[in-house]
Amino acid sequence: QVQLQESGPGLVKPSETLSLTCTVSGGSLTNYYWSWVGQSPGKGLEWIGSIDYRGNTNYNPSLKSRVSTSLDTSKNQFSLKLSSVTAADTAVYYCARVISAEWALDYWGQGTLVTVSS
Amino acid sequence: DIQMTQSPSTLSASVGDRVTITCRASESISSWLAWYQQKPGIAPKLLIYKASSLESGVPSRFSGSGSGTEFTLTISSLQPDDFATYSCQQYNSFPLTFGGGTKVEIK
Repeated sequence: QVQLQESGPGLVKPSETLSLTCTVSGGSLTNYYWSWVGQSPGKGLEWIGSIDYRGNTNYNPSLKSRVSTSLDTSKNQFSLKLSSVTAADTAVYYCARVISAEWALDYWGQGTLVTVSS
Repeated sequence: DIQMTQSPSTLSASVGDRVTITCRASESISSWLAWYQQKPGIAPKLLIYKASSLESGVPSRFSGSGSGTEFTLTISSLQPDDFATYSCQQYNSFPLTFGGGTKVEIK
């Protein structure tokens, strides 16, 4: 059974960079796209971006100038960096796997709350 | 971006009820639609993909239908474990976008 677990600081200061890592167990990064999805308090889910095992990326244009993703196949991890954060970036951040040949998300982490505050 | 609008935003129902949630897309997305179940502190769960394909392991009381711009998720007989928030997601084009969610509450 594939499992995903997000990790990273729960508190980030305004203007700094939010950094999260997703560790995948029970499966390989190979042959899949891997995604980040955010959910601000009381709001719907927002797709942030995706990266595949070869390093190809797709980002939400609304965040593209501030987002970068990477992966480490040796550790079975992929990561998110979101720069110049503001209070509006306070959210639960999820990592997820993209179904092969579809762009639905079949496995998700439980999410991690990141608060942007000084 | 394709806007996804769900209705209702909140739904009160009893165990055993038939429940229907609607998701409308701002433009045609063919059948490229998924449904998810969310509970606090738990990983979101994929229920339906390609509008009507049931994800492996998901109970058959869940079903999806629709194409183009209008879609529905139906729970044929609501069970205690089904009280949760349900969200739709289109993947016809980037950026991927989600509906605002429908919270199914106990009546």
